[in-house]
Amino acid sequence: AQSVSQHNHHVILSEAASLELGCNYSYGGTVNLFWYVQYPGQHLQLLLKYFSGDPLVKGIKGFEAEFIKSKFSFNLRKPSVQWSDTAEYFCAVNSRGAAGNKLTFGGGTRVLVKP
Amino acid sequence: EAGVVQSPRYKIIEKKQPVAFWCNPISGHNTLYWYLQNLGQGPELLIRYENEEAVDDSQLPKDRFSAERLKGVDSTLKIQPAELGDSAVYLCASSLLEGTQYFGPGTRLTVL
Repeated sequence: AQSVSQHNHHVILSEAASLELGCNYSYGGTVNLFWYVQYPGQHLQLLLKYFSGDPLVKGIKGFEAEFIKSKFSFNLRKPSVQWSDTAEYFCAVNSRGAAGNKLTFGGGTRVLVKP
Repeated sequence: EAGVVQSPRYKIIEKKQPVAFWCNPISGHNTLYWYLQNLGQGPELLIRYENEEAVDDSQLPKDRFSAERLKGVDSTLKIQPAELGDSAVYLCASSLLEGTQYFGPGTRLTVL
């Protein structure tokens, strides 16, 4: 069975600092990879996704993620965060072809950006 | 384009009572999902529908949980009877075939 691990449960940083959130998954086959974000009081929203092609994926609001197949990783980055990036971030994996479109989520990382 | 709609947004009930959640997916999305999200954790799939057929309900506790999607559009998730441990957020998502899943706002259930 596939699993997703997010290394940090909580991250606190100041505005303009750089952010990197780790995500590792365990699955030997072909995968689709996602980062979702949940702002306070709002629903889960898609931040970015990787299906194939360039392993460096750019998403909304200046976020990007890099798929490193050899490390089973899909880390999320943002060079300079803003207070409005305070949210919970979830990495998710969908194993292509097996068991349909079943997303497996990591436990989430709560990010607090101090003004 | 309207997103995934869920109701109610909040529900407080006493244990052993029944409860039902409703979901209306994005128009045209044939695949619908119900997830359970406990506090501090990521969502976990309960059931997945393709049109009106439940194609993956392996994680649905069938002794007390049931779901239906009779006409392949709206869906209802029911718990009867509810237990204290069922307190969580119940999320509905939809997708076009096996594309990206879009989530609703969720129903926060509190069982007293």
